[in-house]
Formats: sequence, C-alpha cells, structure tokens
Amino acid sequence: GQSLEQPSEVTAVEGAIVQINCTYQTSGFYGLSWYQQHDGGAPTFLSYNALDGLEETGRFSSFLSRSDSYGYLLLQELQMKDSASYFCAVRNTDKLIFGTGTRLQVFP
Amino acid sequence: DAGVIQSPRHEVTEMGQEVTLRCKPISGHDYLFWYRQTMMRGLELLIYFNNNVPIDDSGMPEDRFSAKMPNASFSTLKIQPSEPRDSAVYFCASSSVLQGAFYNEQFFGPGTRLTVL
Repeated sequence: GQSLEQPSEVTAVEGAIVQINCTYQTSGFYGLSWYQQHDGGAPTFLSYNALDGLEETGRFSSFLSRSDSYGYLLLQELQMKDSASYFCAVRNTDKLIFGTGTRLQVFP
Repeated sequence: DAGVIQSPRHEVTEMGQEVTLRCKPISGHDYLFWYRQTMMRGLELLIYFNNNVPIDDSGMPEDRFSAKMPNASFSTLKIQPSEPRDSAVYFCASSSVLQGAFYNEQFFGPGTRLTVL
C-alpha cells in the first residue's frame, strides 16, 4: 500500500517558525513535493526534494531524508497569509500521491 | 499564459444526470492530470495523460467515470450517471518536463465544485 502521514493541524503566531512533518510509505519514490492550498483555492507548488538535504526558497525550506522516508516543510517568519493547508506529495514516476494535508492557522 | 482553465466552476445536478467537466491545460504542457478532492478522501489522482494518451487510470473510481483528451489543448471528465457521493471539487492540473522552475511542478486549475443532489 501507499501512505503519507502528516499532522492534521498546526497553529502558530505571526513571526514564529513552524515545521510540518511528512512520513511516507510508497511502492516507488522519485522525490517529495510540497503544495499550499488556501481555502477555496487550488493547490500551488512550493518545493521539491529529490535528494537528501535542505532546499531553501525564501521563507520556506523543505527537507528530505530518503533513508528515513521522512521530510518536512519549514516556514519561517510566519505571516497571516500563510494560513492554509499544506500537502506533501510523493512523486512516483510521473504522478503525485498526496498526503492528507496539514491545516496551518496563524494567529496575530 | 492564462493558466489551466476549467469549466464550469460550479455544477449542481441531480442524481442520474450526466456531468461533463472540461479542462484546457497550459499551452505546451504535455502532462494532464485529473484529481478529485473531498474532506474524507483528500486529493486523489483519478487519471493522467501524457501527450494526449491515458497513462494511468487506476484512480478512476468506477465505470461511471470516463476521461478523454482529444487534443493537446482540451480534456473532459465525464460522470454518467452521477451519484451524490460524486460530490467533490474536481481539479485539472498540467505539467511539462521542459517548463517551470521544477520540471515536475504541477499547475492546478481553479477546480469545478460538483454537487449531486
């Protein structure tokens, strides 16, 4: 079977740092992606890790450990607009298998 | 580019009716994906195409669902007959091995919110 596990909800205050973890168990693995989805909106791409290590893109960073089947998304200097759902997704050949999503609520 | 275009944005229909959802991918993209999103099941891949050819339809729930891609700029997802449990948001996404900052980045359309009464 294939499964991706994420916390269902995370809360934080503006300016803080939050980490959203993702553990996966899949039959094939090419890399781990992260997507953001605001309420009523469409998922939008944030990052992709094919190799172990940390990838940084502005306030967001993503980490992957293939040996541990684990990754995380790190959001720094949180802003109110970061309140959204965040999905990890395993790339298996040409397709993505999405996790159940983590709802992040940022409070002032 | 206008991005991925989906129509209609909202669809309300009665059980047993045929529903057709439409998608126009980003020009030049060679992959097209259809997803369904519900609170219970999350974001599920239904089917995807590469160069207009269906590659993997293992996520299509049952024979009531069918998808076509007659050309590089148009795809349809049809449900016939529709049932209340089909109520969900249906997303179309496209990608390209050549375009985008990350070659595997998928660009999602705004979605079609389907309600089957």
